[in-house]
Amino acid sequence: QVTLKESGPALVNPAETLTLTCTVSGFSLSNAGMGVSWIRQPPGKAPEWLAHIFSNDEESYTTSLKSRLTISKDTSKSQVVLTMTNMDPVDTATYYCARTRVPGVYYFDYWGQGTLVTVSS
Amino acid sequence: DIQMTQSPSSLSAYVGDRVTVTCRASQNIRTYLNWYQQKPGKAPNLLIYSAASLQSGVPSRFSGSGSGTDFTLTISSLQPEDFATYYCQESFSLPWTFGQGTKVEIK
Repeated sequence: QVTLKESGPALVNPAETLTLTCTVSGFSLSNAGMGVSWIRQPPGKAPEWLAHIFSNDEESYTTSLKSRLTISKDTSKSQVVLTMTNMDPVDTATYYCARTRVPGVYYFDYWGQGTLVTVSS
Repeated sequence: DIQMTQSPSSLSAYVGDRVTVTCRASQNIRTYLNWYQQKPGKAPNLLIYSAASLQSGVPSRFSGSGSGTDFTLTISSLQPEDFATYYCQESFSLPWTFGQGTKVEIK
C-alpha cells in the first residue's frame, strides 16, 4: 500500500530555512512513471504546487518561488527533501507531499497527511 | 501561468441532488484537467484525472467532462459523505495550478 509522510518543524522563524522530508513506502522513487511533488495550502486557501522530482532526477519548480526552493531525493532511503529559504509569515501553510504520476498525464494520486508549518518569531 | 476559475465558489444542495461544478482555464489545456475532493483537516483526494477518467476506488456517481477551456465535475446523486470542497487542477504546463475551490454544503 502506498503511503507518504511529511516531517519537519512545526514552527520556523522568519528568514530561516525550512527543511521538509517526505518518506514514501509502497513504491520506489526509481520507478519509471512516478515522481513526488510538494504542494502547500495556506489556511482557508487553495493548494499551490511548489516543486516535483521524477525518477530520472528531473526537477521543476513553481515560477514565483524558484529562487527559494530546492528539491532532492535519496532513493535508498525512500525520501524526498524540500528546502525553502528565507521563510516569511506568508509561507505559513500545510505542506503536503504527493505521488505524481507521469508522463503525459500528470496527477497526484496519493498524498501525505500534511504538516502545518507556522512562520513566526 | 494558467489561471483556473471555478464556479460557483460555494453551493448548497440536498442529499440526492445532482450537483455540477465548473472549471474554466485561461487557455486551451486539452484534457489535462484533474479534480480533487478535500474534507476539513484532510489532504485532497483524487477523483478524476484527464478530465473524464475515474480514479480507482472513486464511486461512479462522480463524473468529469470537458476539453479545451471548459470542464465539469458532476455528482449524480449527492451523498452525505460528498459534502466537501472540490478543486480542479491543470497539468498542461508548469507551474501546475489549482482552481480556488467549490465548497459543497448541506441544504
